[in-house]
Amino acid sequence: GENVEQHPSTLSVQEGDSAVIKCTYSDSASNYFPWYKQELGKGPQLIIDIRSNVGEKKDQRIAVTLNKTAKHFSLHITETQPEDSAVYFCAASGYSTLTFGKGTMLLVSP
Amino acid sequence: DTAVSQTPKYLVTQMGNDKSIKCEQNLGHDTMYWYKQDSKKFLKIMFSYNNKELIINETVPNRFSPKSPDKAHLNLHINSLELGDSAVYFCASSPTDLSGAFFGQGTRLTVV
Repeated sequence: GENVEQHPSTLSVQEGDSAVIKCTYSDSASNYFPWYKQELGKGPQLIIDIRSNVGEKKDQRIAVTLNKTAKHFSLHITETQPEDSAVYFCAASGYSTLTFGKGTMLLVSP
Repeated sequence: DTAVSQTPKYLVTQMGNDKSIKCEQNLGHDTMYWYKQDSKKFLKIMFSYNNKELIINETVPNRFSPKSPDKAHLNLHINSLELGDSAVYFCASSPTDLSGAFFGQGTRLTVV
């Protein structure tokens, strides 16, 4: 089955800095890669996703890049704000359900 | 207009009891899921249903039994609860089983 590795497990940045979270996956058949943000006491919320026919996707301060050859994808958050503080999960799916990484706790200090 | 709603939000119960968690989605999605999130925040799929039919059943004890009366509902029944069942359980839905899932707010189950 699919295995998704996510790094780092914790990330502390100053407000205004950029944050990068990286994931690798094992199944070359995976073709859909979403990112989720989970705030305390809430369910994971889909923030951006990318499919395997695209190398990069942007949505305001958030971008995701995908390297299918190397089987890794990354989340980039620019101009971080305190409200970006949360746990972020990457995931991968192919012909079955989503397999999640173990999450990155992002802390943005004012 | 909650998209994926699950009840109850908190559930405290004694070992050996039987309990149910209900989930409903109003997004018109075909696929629904149950995920378990442990104390280390790891999200693991338990079950996946597509149009009321079970399509994925990960290595979950048979004390856990999902029920889908229609494609908008997927309930989770747990028999003979054990301490290790304590976790947050999330219901989710997606348009197909290849696209991103939308999650409910979670049910925090505590077995004492």
